[in-house]
Amino acid sequence: QKEVEQNSGPLSVPEGAIASLNCTYSDRGSQSFFWYRQYSGKSPELIMFIYSNGDKEDGRFTAQLNKASQYVSLLIRDSQPSDSATYLCATQGGGGSYIPTFGRGTSLIVHP
Amino acid sequence: EAGVTQFPSHSVIEKGQTVTLRCDPISGHDNLYWYRRVMGKEIKFLLHFVKESKQDESGMPNNRFLAERTGGTYSTLKVQPAELEDSGVYFCASSQVGGQHYNEQFFGPGTRLTVL
Repeated sequence: QKEVEQNSGPLSVPEGAIASLNCTYSDRGSQSFFWYRQYSGKSPELIMFIYSNGDKEDGRFTAQLNKASQYVSLLIRDSQPSDSATYLCATQGGGGSYIPTFGRGTSLIVHP
Repeated sequence: EAGVTQFPSHSVIEKGQTVTLRCDPISGHDNLYWYRRVMGKEIKFLLHFVKESKQDESGMPNNRFLAERTGGTYSTLKVQPAELEDSGVYFCASSQVGGQHYNEQFFGPGTRLTVL
């Protein structure tokens, strides 16, 4: 059974701080990793994807992947109240499957 | 450009009744996916259409669920008869490409189904 684990939170950080969201996965064959942001009652929205070990930066967001440790993280620099949402981690590609496996999400609260 | 739309946004029905959920994908997207999130759990895959054909329906929980995509445009997901455990949020997503390790799926806002 493929599993993606996330701390449900909430993770509370002050405005301007770095928010660090973490995710571990069980399927060592996973090849693609995604972070979705979901505001309450809204659609999950893809904000980052990463394939290779290391860091990938896009604006204030940095995704970090460590396949040996089966760990993927999302860093949000200069956090803003508008970043407050649930962040879903998903993996894809294990066993040749293109269907993503999602975690339950981490709730992030950025307070002014 | 319009995103993925779903109808209704909420549905409350009694056990044993029938409900039909609708999804309109982004225009031009051949790939359409249905997912479900039960309260407190993760989003789980139900099935995948390529145009009007079912590519993968391995996630469908049982034969009370029937998905169609006539003409390869919008899709419907019917639950008949509904049971209490069917309650949850049903998401639809669409993508231009599919069957690859990376395909960006655009999600709809979901339909919240409550079975009493």
